Amino acid sequence: SQQGEEDPQALSIQEGENATMNCSYKTSINNLQWYRQNSGRGLVHLILIRSNEREKHSGRLRVTLDTSKKSSSLLITASRAADTASYFCATSTGTASKLTFGTGTRLQVTL
Amino acid sequence: NAGVMQNPRHLVRRRGQEARLRCSPMKGHSHVYWYRQLPEEGLKFMVYLQKENIIDESGMPKERFSAEFPKEGPSILRIQQVVRGDSAAYFCASSPAGGINTGELFFGEGSRLTVL
Repeated sequence: SQQGEEDPQALSIQEGENATMNCSYKTSINNLQWYRQNSGRGLVHLILIRSNEREKHSGRLRVTLDTSKKSSSLLITASRAADTASYFCATSTGTASKLTFGTGTRLQVTL
Repeated sequence: NAGVMQNPRHLVRRRGQEARLRCSPMKGHSHVYWYRQLPEEGLKFMVYLQKENIIDESGMPKERFSAEFPKEGPSILRIQQVVRGDSAAYFCASSPAGGINTGELFFGEGSRLTVL
């Protein structure tokens, strides 16, 4: 079963607006990561937040982590058409040697 | 510094044939992961390898699938006697020693397998 579930599954906004994507997971984590995938391409790492961190920023990205609710959010501010992509959260748990990916949010930013 | 290199990018096979997918990790990376992605879905873990060792193959189907990462050369994901359900994008990722608990995975562009 999926460790991470993103919400919403799809999001359509206009350029300049903010986009918020949420990720829920089921078991305790070591860290949570967000990745971006353009259509037909590989995944690109965006940001990593550790279980003892609550918020992290990188450029126009802001990630929060609430371990009590087992959830994370990714905020993209002042979105651009080039932000159009699918966004995945991925979790690292216990001694597991793999990342477990969620189902993704497809973001469409229109001009 | 080249990224993770996968080839072929596209592969078409008929049912019953073999598919062989190759992955060269980033320079200096000793950990390789293979993931499978079906259309409109997330990535599903298949196998994690270090040089000459399979560390975790819990996501690999028990039959027809195998993976290796030899001392020299790329990692190979091999699918024998392919069936239509094997049609998917197969992604390879690499990380330096320490793996995913210390940082990110670096992904290749994927190999898209179509089984006719």
